[in-house]
Amino acid sequence: KQEVTQIPAALSVPEGENLVLNCSFTDSAIYNLQWFRQDPGKGLTSLLLIQSSQREQTSGRLNASLDKSSGRSTLYIAASQPGDSATYLCAVNTNAGKSTFGDGTTLTVKP
Amino acid sequence: NAGVTQTPKFQVLKTGQSMTLQCAQDMNHEYMSWYRQDPGMGLRLIHYSVGAGITDQGEVPNGYNVSRSTTEDFPLRLLSAAPSQTSVYFCASSYGQGGYTNEKLFFGSGTQLSVL
Repeated sequence: KQEVTQIPAALSVPEGENLVLNCSFTDSAIYNLQWFRQDPGKGLTSLLLIQSSQREQTSGRLNASLDKSSGRSTLYIAASQPGDSATYLCAVNTNAGKSTFGDGTTLTVKP
Repeated sequence: NAGVTQTPKFQVLKTGQSMTLQCAQDMNHEYMSWYRQDPGMGLRLIHYSVGAGITDQGEVPNGYNVSRSTTEDFPLRLLSAAPSQTSVYFCASSYGQGGYTNEKLFFGSGTQLSVL
């Protein structure tokens, strides 16, 4: 059974700092991995999707990497802003169409 | 283009009552799914569908029924509500057949359900 772990559970940083969020998974037979953002009381918004054959994806200040063999992904946020405060979740997708989510990392960026 | 629309946003039920959570998408997505989100347990897949007329069970299907008569709609039915079903429910959709394509998942805004 696929298990997804995100460390740390919570992170607080000052504005402007670069930071890394971690995601690990137990079964490397994945189809892709997605990083999501969730604001309080809201649904999830997909930030980046990395295919199993890819090593990284970039969107603006966000960069996600994938090391399938070691079962790890990182989300790098450059020059963090208070508006980045949210919960970030990763999800791994098997070729059976089922996504397994981590519990998320709650990020607080202080002005 | 409304995306994924869930109704209602909030619902309170008594134990034993039944109800249907509605989910509709206007993006012509083949894949639709239902998740529940509970503190400390992340999002767990309840049921999913890879196209009209096709549904399958996820990780936690007991107590829930689904059907997919149209591409647009994927309702989730609670047959006899129990306090353990108190949760936030999310509907999600994507192009293609879920894991068989590299397409992003789009989520609705959720339904907060309390079962007393």
